[in-house]
Amino acid sequence: NAGVMQNPRHLVRRRGQEARLRCSPMKGHSHVYWYRQLPEEGLKFMVYLQKENIIDESGMPKERFSAEFPKEGPSILRIQQVVRGDSAAYFCASSRETGEALHFGNGTRLTVT
Amino acid sequence: GENVEQHPSTLSVQEGDSAVIKCTYSDSASNYFPWYKQELGKRPQLIIDIRSNVGEKKDQRIAVTLNKTAKHFSLHITETQPEDSAVYFCAASMGRKLIFGQGTELSVKP
Repeated sequence: NAGVMQNPRHLVRRRGQEARLRCSPMKGHSHVYWYRQLPEEGLKFMVYLQKENIIDESGMPKERFSAEFPKEGPSILRIQQVVRGDSAAYFCASSRETGEALHFGNGTRLTVT
Repeated sequence: GENVEQHPSTLSVQEGDSAVIKCTYSDSASNYFPWYKQELGKRPQLIIDIRSNVGEKKDQRIAVTLNKTAKHFSLHITETQPEDSAVYFCAASMGRKLIFGQGTELSVKP
């Protein structure tokens, strides 16, 4: 049973470019969460999605960031016009139901130059 | 607000000693409290969790205690080993998401 799959593992973007991060949840999981982790810091909640629905986006910056989880295909976290402060590790996690343990992917490490 | 405070931020122990990490949470409605271990450059991995209807849970050398009245919970690791060295995160359910503490970097010296 494959775990949560994230790609790419590493992503380098120049300031002003767009970054697209992908996440395929574990088989049987329909709840997807995105977290951001800055160096030597904790995991900051960004957004919680179910298929075709954003349930809670209270942690998402108001501008440049968006997320989706379409009926078919992986969840996408999109960052437009990236800035140096967006450099971080972005972790996706999934669960079978709300209130159950989250299973994390290996993360995407975004570097903005 | 939605907040989880975790202490200490760093903890150094000798191999074989015990380690205790403490967390407090703000939302009295929180009912699920997992702990994650993250090794350098890797993903967080669940090591133990507890629900609000239980006061204590143990799994081999790891135990977690919960005090709902005081809104705090703790991770206890006994007979620590060098491979326990990692960053540990507590979390609490708030709404339909998990809010994480800031992490504790545990170093176990041989």
